[in-house]
Amino acid sequence: AQTVTQSQPEMSVQEAETVTLSCTYDTSESDYYLFWYKQPPSRQMILVIRQEAYKQQNATENRFSVNFQKAAKSFSLKISDSQLGDAAMYFCACNNAGNMLTFGGGTRLMVKP
Amino acid sequence: EPEVTQTPSHQVTQMGQEVILRCVPISNHLYFYWYRQILGQKVEFLVSFYNNEISEKSEIFDDQFSVERPDGSNFTLKIRSTKLEDSAMYFCASSRPDRGSIMGQYFGPGTRLTVT
Repeated sequence: AQTVTQSQPEMSVQEAETVTLSCTYDTSESDYYLFWYKQPPSRQMILVIRQEAYKQQNATENRFSVNFQKAAKSFSLKISDSQLGDAAMYFCACNNAGNMLTFGGGTRLMVKP
Repeated sequence: EPEVTQTPSHQVTQMGQEVILRCVPISNHLYFYWYRQILGQKVEFLVSFYNNEISEKSEIFDDQFSVERPDGSNFTLKIRSTKLEDSAMYFCASSRPDRGSIMGQYFGPGTRLTVT
C-alpha cells in the first residue's frame, strides 16, 4: 500500500517570490512515479510535473521544479517567480507503475499581489 | 489542447436511485479511470479500465458500481443504488496509450454528486 502526506494544508507567497510545497510518501515498490497536480478553483486537475523514481536528476518544468530525496521519501515542489495564476490547490501523487494514483490531502496555495 | 470532459457538472439524486456519470476521455487515450473526493477528504482511486475491461479497482468499488465504454468516445460510471455516503466529487481521467498512467493521468472537471 502507498501513502502520500502533505503536511501543509495552506501556504501563501508574495507575487514574484519562491515557495516550496512539501510532500512525503511511502511505498514498498522500487519502481514508482511521482506527480504534482494543480487544481484551480472550480477547474480540473492539471499535471504540473512528474518524476521517475529511478532518475536522480530533479525534474524541472519552467518555473516549477522538484526536490526529490529518494532515501527520505520526500518530493517537494518549488514554484519560482510566483504568479497570481499559481493560486490553486496542489496535490502530490504517487503511482507504482500500476494504474492507481495515490493522492496526498492537498495544499492550498494563496498568492498575494 | 484536448481535454477530458464530464457531464453533468452537478447531479442531485435521492437515496436508492441509480445514477450514471458520463465522461469523454481524450480521443487517443486508451486508459480510463474514475476517482472520487468526498468533501474535505483525499482524492481516492475507484477503478481503471483498459481494453474494454477493468484492470484494477479499489475496495470502494463494490457491486454497486460499474463502468462501461458504450461507444468509442464515452466512459461511464454507474452507481446502482446510491447511498448518502456516495455524495462526493467524481473525477474521470484518461492516459496516453504509451506507457499508460506512468506519463500522468489527465483529469476532467468532475461531477458533484449529491445524494439526499
